[in-house]
Amino acid sequence: KAGVTQTPRYLIKTRGQQVTLSCSPISGHRSVSWYQQTPGQGLQFLFEYFSETQRNKGNFPGRFSGRQFSNSRSEMNVSTLELGDSALYLCASSLGQQRGETQYFGPGTRLLVL
Amino acid sequence: AQTVTQSQPEMSVQEAETVTLSCTYDTSESDYYLFWYKQPPSRQMILVIRQEAYKQQNATENRFSVNFQKAAKSFSLKISDSQLGDAAMYFCAYILTGNQFYFGTGTSLTVIP
Repeated sequence: KAGVTQTPRYLIKTRGQQVTLSCSPISGHRSVSWYQQTPGQGLQFLFEYFSETQRNKGNFPGRFSGRQFSNSRSEMNVSTLELGDSALYLCASSLGQQRGETQYFGPGTRLLVL
Repeated sequence: AQTVTQSQPEMSVQEAETVTLSCTYDTSESDYYLFWYKQPPSRQMILVIRQEAYKQQNATENRFSVNFQKAAKSFSLKISDSQLGDAAMYFCAYILTGNQFYFGTGTSLTVIP
């Protein structure tokens, strides 16, 4: 099976702009989670989607939003970008049927905000 | 607050030797799942090993094994016969409710030829 894919891999934006990142999970996986990784804060959970519904949400401002489509692909949107949003954004997919099941990560999207 | 502590920011090991990475965590839950992920320079997170807290037996995956001490809330990773390809950042994490990971800050492992 193909692994988790994320597009684009690299992105440069300026403050105030918005950005949309995409994640395609492993075939058959219905849960997609998003994480932000920065040197200062480490890996932080953004949100999880399952069957097109947000199932869990981390402690991020409303500028961070997401959605999931019927084919389980997920998008994450960040509006009004700030310098502090520069990070590696990782998505992870799993079957979504059991708690604690293994999640498989994509290669990430590196976002640089200037 | 849910916390995972990796007290060793950096570790090094000679090729073919054994190294142990430490991890402690804090939770009042009794049912949870523990993981070790590695992140090589390519930045892709790769599962190393998974442990269910209700299982007393320590998980093993080839050269990787854990020492899970539930009462002490400790979950260390032992890498035997270290290889150059083991060089990476290693993250300890757990899942309580839902599918949300709580990650530690990571340990950077260098393998010396």
